Amino acid sequence: DAGVIQSPRHEVTEMGQEVTLRCKPISGHDYLFWYRQTMMRGLELLIYFNNNVPIDDSGMPEDRFSAKMPNASFSTLKIQPSEPRDSAVYFCASSPLGLAAYNEQFFGPGTRLTVL
Amino acid sequence: AQSVTQPDIHITVSEGASLELRCNYSYGATPYLFWYVQSPGQGLQLLLKYFSGDTLVQGIKGFEAEFKRSQSSFNLRKPSVHWSDAAEYFCAVGARGGSQGNLIFGKGTKLSVKP
Repeated sequence: DAGVIQSPRHEVTEMGQEVTLRCKPISGHDYLFWYRQTMMRGLELLIYFNNNVPIDDSGMPEDRFSAKMPNASFSTLKIQPSEPRDSAVYFCASSPLGLAAYNEQFFGPGTRLTVL
Repeated sequence: AQSVTQPDIHITVSEGASLELRCNYSYGATPYLFWYVQSPGQGLQLLLKYFSGDTLVQGIKGFEAEFKRSQSSFNLRKPSVHWSDAAEYFCAVGARGGSQGNLIFGKGTKLSVKP
């Protein structure tokens, strides 16, 4: 398996622009997670999906952030408009939780976002 | 609510020395416990996990961790550190059962290795 795939790996944009981050989870995984990592705040869970349905978006910082999962093999995280404080590494992870009661997650390589 | 504490933000050890990274959790029952490692510029990789059974678990790269229920701890150990172990290490706790699928991560411990 290719693992969790994220694109782009690096994104540099200007304040006010729309940014879309993409994720392809591991085939067969039921859960998909979006995280943000910064030096100041560490690793933060933004939102997670189960079977393409958003379960908990309480970590989404504000309305500028939105996430979708139109099908089991694709998810997007969109920031519109972007601000310099959104600069961070964004990770996508997937989990084969299904009906099993464990939570091991497999992480993608991350997207490093810089907003100028 | 679940929480994870990694008391040490940064640790420096000499190559060949032993290592112990601390992790304490707060949870009403026995949780699922994980250690992840993040090398610079990389995503997180699972080192080891505890679900049940033997409280001493072995992981990749020569790491092990011991679950101690009485201390609510899951410390990570390695008998002899290699320079390539320099990275950031994250402890995480997951809920058992139900519909909750997320992990709660600690703030991480950055490991530096002196030659």
